[in-house]
Amino acid sequence: DTAVSQTPKYLVTQMGNDKSIKCEQNLGHDTMYWYKQDSKKFLKIMFSYNNKELIINETVPNRFSPKSPDKAHLNLHINSLELGDSAVYFCASSPRDRGRKSYNEQFFGPGTRLTVL
Amino acid sequence: AQSVSQHNHHVILSEAASLELGCNYSYGGTVNLFWYVQYPGQHLQLLLKYFSGDPLVKGIKGFEAEFIKSKFSFNLRKPSVQWSDTAEYFCAVNARLNQGGKLIFGQGTELSVKP
Repeated sequence: DTAVSQTPKYLVTQMGNDKSIKCEQNLGHDTMYWYKQDSKKFLKIMFSYNNKELIINETVPNRFSPKSPDKAHLNLHINSLELGDSAVYFCASSPRDRGRKSYNEQFFGPGTRLTVL
Repeated sequence: AQSVSQHNHHVILSEAASLELGCNYSYGGTVNLFWYVQYPGQHLQLLLKYFSGDPLVKGIKGFEAEFIKSKFSFNLRKPSVQWSDTAEYFCAVNARLNQGGKLIFGQGTELSVKP
């Protein structure tokens, strides 16, 4: 199936630990994103990569480090986890219309629910 | 800075009632507009989108939205809701140029449809 996939779906961990979330898309898109959805369901952009290059970093603490080994993958590593990091993290991808320099709709993954105890 | 405002935090309707969810955005340039739906425990799915052309756009599952440029609005409508429409609805915009395509979301509207 063509899709955006994330692993793991659920992640429960202790404060201070380091964890990673993986994202893969097989839609052939060249732009990928990480969003954070808080307990009030508010969604906020964290990072965006285009062809493995970081293009958006929305004042996210440097404990969060995205890594894009290729344009189909965008992983999120989090160091020294804090209680406030508990949230659902969504990966997304989109094609870019190079002719109009415009970004199209984004396709979202199933989310990773991170709980920090 | 861009922002998106959704007028209603929680809407409760009976089946067959009509739905209108308000969305206003703040941005001086040209934008693309989206409505996403998040069913309980699921990921976001695109309902409909507006890039250009006819300001009345039709999406999946009988939803439609109208872009009114002068009002910076993109309200979502459905003439007759069903119990299965119970979900969280998000309005979002991204800048047509620059800004890396990031989506700016509204705070979401929870729709509860009573059978």
